[in-house]
Amino acid sequence: DAGVIQSPRHEVTEMGQEVTLRCKPISGHDYLFWYRQTMMRGLELLIYFNNNVPIDDSGMPEDRFSAKMPNASFSTLKIQPSEPRDSAVYFCASSFPPQSYSGNTIYFGEGSWLTVV
Amino acid sequence: QKEVEQNSGPLSVPEGAIASLNCTYSDRGSQSFFWYRQYSGKSPELIMSIYSNGDKEDGRFTAQLNKASQYVSLLIRDSQPSDSATYLCAVKANPRNDYKLSFGAGTTVTVRA
Repeated sequence: DAGVIQSPRHEVTEMGQEVTLRCKPISGHDYLFWYRQTMMRGLELLIYFNNNVPIDDSGMPEDRFSAKMPNASFSTLKIQPSEPRDSAVYFCASSFPPQSYSGNTIYFGEGSWLTVV
Repeated sequence: QKEVEQNSGPLSVPEGAIASLNCTYSDRGSQSFFWYRQYSGKSPELIMSIYSNGDKEDGRFTAQLNKASQYVSLLIRDSQPSDSATYLCAVKANPRNDYKLSFGAGTTVTVRA
């Protein structure tokens, strides 16, 4: 398997522009996660999906952020309008369902490095 | 109080020594604990998971869990330059709930050759 695939790997955009990040999870994984990593705040969970349905979006910072998962093999994270403080690495990750007391492994994509100037 | 706290480091150890990383968590009901390794510019990768009190060994890595004291640690024996990375502690509160993993800020380890 190719692993979790994210695009673009790097993006530089101007403040106010729309940014769309894309993710293809590992085939067969029911859970998909969007994380954001910054030096100041570390790795934060933004939203996650189970079987394409958003389960918890409490980590989405504000209405400028939205995420969709139209099918089992594709998800997007959109920022509109973008601001300089959105500059971060955005990771998509996927996993099988959690199992009682055994946890499970989350597989991360390589990340999308976003710079908003 | 942060949910998961780690010493930020950096932690510098000579090659061949033991690197010891510590992590504390605030939710006493937490059930699953993980250590991720993240090389600079790369994504986190899982290296250890632990669910029961005590030690769990995997090669040169040993995870230790003490739920009463709410801490989990990672020991890296015979440290190698390739172990130089940031190590993230992650905690999951309730495995029966839908998945939510809280990460610490990470401890940066540098192994000196």
